Amino acid sequence: EPEVTQTPSHQVTQMGQEVILRCVPISNHLYFYWYRQILGQKVEFLVSFYNNEISEKSEIFDDQFSVERPDGSNFTLKIRSTKLEDSAMYFCASSEPSGIYNEQFFGPGTRLTVL
Amino acid sequence: AQSVTQLDSHVSVSEGTPVLLRCNYSSSYSPSLFWYVQHPNKGLQLLLKYTSAATLVKGINGFEAEFKKSETSFHLTKPSAHMSDAAEYFCVVRGSYSSASKIIFGSGTRLSIRP
Repeated sequence: EPEVTQTPSHQVTQMGQEVILRCVPISNHLYFYWYRQILGQKVEFLVSFYNNEISEKSEIFDDQFSVERPDGSNFTLKIRSTKLEDSAMYFCASSEPSGIYNEQFFGPGTRLTVL
Repeated sequence: AQSVTQLDSHVSVSEGTPVLLRCNYSSSYSPSLFWYVQHPNKGLQLLLKYTSAATLVKGINGFEAEFKKSETSFHLTKPSAHMSDAAEYFCVVRGSYSSASKIIFGSGTRLSIRP
């Protein structure tokens, strides 16, 4: 069964460093998303991406964040200068363009720890 | 704006007894509703989704949910709990009437199963 994959599973970085989180969505999906979950809190939407551009972004997704689909398979989230409060589990998701009832398929997540 | 409220942060039941996880939604139109499950240190897995075809929705692992418009509820149930059901459960609503829309998570209900 096709699945969304994410690498790395755990990333530890120093405050102020840049990190890139990688995702490989399901191959025939056209909508891509990033969410995050700070420990003990709810899952929050960051950004959605379609047709090589951002469709929607949340207030969290400020200038420190960017997304890219560098080739036909990868979807990346970059944080330019990490802060302590960026420590969270980051989930990538993808969905197919089959209407408003289509579900989003989630990857296993990348746990980002900023020291 | 679309939102969901999960009424219980923690539910504990004995193995073999029924499970009820409560969710109320707020929506300005006919909502797209989902239940996702997150097992410890795992990603988010879709349990079931409401597609307006039927008010009683059956999902994986014996779970089902009933959409009640009059009560704006979408409670998740299972007749008989199993130890493997111990996990975090999220009620989710689509953010807008668009197939590319973000999804909005409730705060989650942690389900514990007593032997």
